Amino acid sequence: NAGVTQTPKFRVLKTGQSMTLLCAQDMNHEYMYWYRQDPGMGLRLIHYSVGEGTTAKGEVPDGYNVSRLKKQNFLLGLESAAPSQTSVYFCASSPGWSTEAFFGQGTRLTVV
Amino acid sequence: GQQVMQIPQYQHVQEGEDFTTYCNSSTTLSNIQWYKQRPGGHPVFLIQLVKSGEVKKQKRLTFQFGEAKKNSSLHITATQTTDVGTYFCAAYAYSGGGADGLTFGKGTHLIIQP
Repeated sequence: NAGVTQTPKFRVLKTGQSMTLLCAQDMNHEYMYWYRQDPGMGLRLIHYSVGEGTTAKGEVPDGYNVSRLKKQNFLLGLESAAPSQTSVYFCASSPGWSTEAFFGQGTRLTVV
Repeated sequence: GQQVMQIPQYQHVQEGEDFTTYCNSSTTLSNIQWYKQRPGGHPVFLIQLVKSGEVKKQKRLTFQFGEAKKNSSLHITATQTTDVGTYFCAAYAYSGGGADGLTFGKGTHLIIQP
C-alpha cells in the first residue's frame, strides 16, 4: 500500500531557484495538505485543498503556490526559493473534514 | 484562524514514570485529534475525540476531551522507550468561509531516560 508518496525526499536549492514538490495519494481522498515543520514550531499549514481543482491558503502561504489538477496529486511550488524556506515539508491527505489524516514521509529541503 | 496551544514543549521522564501533555483552544472545537511522530519520522494518527467529556484508552494511553470541548489531554502510564517522540494535538477549523484545514499544536517532545 503506497498511501501518500512525496517526491523528492531530499533537495538542495540555491537562493532564487524554483522547484516543485509532488504529493500523490492512492486512497481517493478529497482533502490534501502541505505543511512545513521547523524546530520548535510544530507543523504549520501552508496550503490545502478540499477537492480536485480547489486550493486554499493556510497559516503560512507566502512564497508558495499549489495546484490540484488531479484528485490524487497536490503540487507545492516555490517560485524563488529563500533560505527561510529551508524546512521539512510534509504532505497529508484525508477522506474529508474531521477525519484521520495520512502523512507522507516528508521532503527535506535546504536552500543555500 | 483557530489555534491550539500545547504544553509542555519538552518533557523529560525516567522510564516507568507517567507523562501528560495538554492541548487548549480559545474556541470550541468540533473534535480533536492526536498524532505521534517518532524521531526522523512522519506524524501518525493515534485517535480522534468528538464528544464532550469523552475519554478513550489505548493500552497505556488515555485521551480526554474537556466538557467544554476547548481542551484535551494525553496521558501515558508507565512510559517505555518506545514512547519516545513528539505528540501533537490537531483540530479542524471551520470559519465563515467554510471548512478550513487541519491545524496542529506545536507538540510535546517526550524524552525518556532509562
